[in-house]
Amino acid sequence: DIQMTQSPSALPASAGDRVTITCRASQNINTWLAWYQQMPGKAPKLLISRASTLDRGVPSRFSGSGSGTEFTLTISNVQPDDFATYYCQQYKSPPWTFGQGTKVEIK
Amino acid sequence: QLQLQESGPGLVKPSETLYLTCAVSGGSISTNDFYWDWIRQAPGKGLEWIGSIHFRGSAYYNPSLQNRVTIAVDTSKNQFSLRLSSVTAADRAVYYCVRGAENPRGLYDRWGQGTLVTVSS
Repeated sequence: DIQMTQSPSALPASAGDRVTITCRASQNINTWLAWYQQMPGKAPKLLISRASTLDRGVPSRFSGSGSGTEFTLTISNVQPDDFATYYCQQYKSPPWTFGQGTKVEIK
Repeated sequence: QLQLQESGPGLVKPSETLYLTCAVSGGSISTNDFYWDWIRQAPGKGLEWIGSIHFRGSAYYNPSLQNRVTIAVDTSKNQFSLRLSSVTAADRAVYYCVRGAENPRGLYDRWGQGTLVTVSS
């Protein structure tokens, strides 16, 4: 299985901050990487696919980059709605696997 | 707007079989463009892919659960189901039914709200 490792586990931030989450894959996944946002008590929501393609309706303050084994999700100008947990996921080869999550929390 | 809704018992006894169904509304399950998957999340933990099914019947499972999992599709009811046998406390989780792209597989754009299943006698 491809292991996905996110850092940090928790990321304190204030509204207006720029924050970056890192996701590392245990082997080359090209750009077969997605990012999801999960609000407390809710299902995850797809933000980004192919490492950098925003899903429809996702604000442009979200951006993704990377390829191979190292990826980042950046939120510029963090908004109140952005305090949530973020997961990366590889879909290069099954079983599809997720990172352990990064909680963006209010500083 | 396509919607998915999980249903089933919220409490299952150890060693018994968990059975959940996912009703798909606002679209047909009988499409070549998508797979229909189950993903679970233990309380306070990350996400684990359980398996996928295509309306034509092709099913794929996570090897870690393969011996205990069966996913089936019922096109007449526009729904699909999950059976997980010999459950233990480790199977306590929120179970999500999701829509996954057919190409590429493994990308999830629609999620049900999730249903919590507890394993206890």
